[in-house]
Amino acid sequence: DAGVIQSPRHEVTEMGQEVTLRCKPISGHNSLFWYRQTMMRGLELLIYFNNNVPIDDSGMPEDRFSAKMPNASFSTLKIQPSEPRDSAVYFCASSSLMGGRGSNQPQHFGDGTRLSIL
Amino acid sequence: SQQGEEDPQALSIQEGENATMNCSYKTSINNLQWYRQNSGRGLVHLILIRSNEREKHSGRLRVTLDTSKKSSSLLITASRAADTASYFCATDAGGGANNLFFGTGTRLTVIP
Repeated sequence: DAGVIQSPRHEVTEMGQEVTLRCKPISGHNSLFWYRQTMMRGLELLIYFNNNVPIDDSGMPEDRFSAKMPNASFSTLKIQPSEPRDSAVYFCASSSLMGGRGSNQPQHFGDGTRLSIL
Repeated sequence: SQQGEEDPQALSIQEGENATMNCSYKTSINNLQWYRQNSGRGLVHLILIRSNEREKHSGRLRVTLDTSKKSSSLLITASRAADTASYFCATDAGGGANNLFFGTGTRLTVIP
């Protein structure tokens, strides 16, 4: 079975440019999570969706960040304009809502997008 | 913050030895999960232990949970060089939410 697929794997761009990260969750999963990982701050949850609806976006650093999930098989995380401090590895993860809210099914992670803003 | 903290931050052992990593957290949980991350890859789920369980095994992994002390441990027995990775604990957010809070991780190096 295909796992969570993220693209691109690496992105290098100049400050001020728009960056779009993409994620395809595992088929049948109905929760999707976006994380950011840095050495200084560890793994931070940015936003998550249940059944394509954003549930908690309190981790989104600022208005430059936005995320969408137009359907069950695709999500994007956009940064506009990008800044050097946005450099990090961005992970997407998906899980099932089986067992209802609070049951915390295991999350399945993609291999991330390594983003470098110059 | 609910974020867990792993201890130690880094651990280096010889192949064949056992590795023990600890996790402490701050608020009540429904369950606790352990994940592994190889360099340059995403996290991989290892094991989930529910708040009413005290110990759980999976292959060479043994997880314990002490809710009174708000702590968990992950034991890897008979370690192999391939176990070299970072290990994270994750706790649920409570209140019916299905997001997780990840700890800071333990970097395990197994020397062949």
